[in-house]
Amino acid sequence: SYELTQPPSVSVSPGQTARITCSGDALPKQYAYWYQQKPGQAPVLVIYKDSERPSGIPERFSGSSSGTTVTLTISGVQAEDEADYYCQSADSSGTSIWVFGGGTKLTVL
Amino acid sequence: QITLKESGPTLVKPTQTLTLTCTFSGFSLSTSGVGVGWIRQPPGKALEWLALIYWNDDKRYSPSLKSRLTITKDTSKNQVVLTMTNMDPVDTATYYCAHSSPIKGLDYWGQGTLVTVSS
Repeated sequence: SYELTQPPSVSVSPGQTARITCSGDALPKQYAYWYQQKPGQAPVLVIYKDSERPSGIPERFSGSSSGTTVTLTISGVQAEDEADYYCQSADSSGTSIWVFGGGTKLTVL
Repeated sequence: QITLKESGPTLVKPTQTLTLTCTFSGFSLSTSGVGVGWIRQPPGKALEWLALIYWNDDKRYSPSLKSRLTITKDTSKNQVVLTMTNMDPVDTATYYCAHSSPIKGLDYWGQGTLVTVSS
């Protein structure tokens, strides 16, 4: 079955830049989406179609894609950005089977 | 304003069938490209995509759970129903439904409902 691989954890100090990667064989062909989830809350979409930002999401959140890896970048990290982040995409079979990455815990030191 | 809310039992016994209902407002599931998906999250673990139904009744299922899942829609009631057969304690999780936009993915989520599987 298709898998997306994320690092379990990333730690940064306030004001620094956090980068969270997500790797998958189908990513050159399929868009990636990123979700932020804080404890006890439902996930929130922060990036769609690799690099687009929904309205209401701060500009410090950005996304990029290169080959089989997509990256969520948070510039000038704030304490409120501490959360779990999940990438999501589809396999390349054309059957639109979706999958989530294992999630990355972002800790703001 | 798009909202979604999950409803169903909070406790089911092993081997029973779980039926969850997603009731939504602010959009129509007859609009081209729109879908509603189900996602679950065991306590302390990652999100897991389960199923998706589109405006044209096209359905997609997680390969690992396909034999146990059925997703249906009632456009007139603005509801999507997910059934999962043969429940097991490992299926204990918070179950979410979400609006699927043809462009933005899962852009609106329900609050989730915790389902515990225990005898």
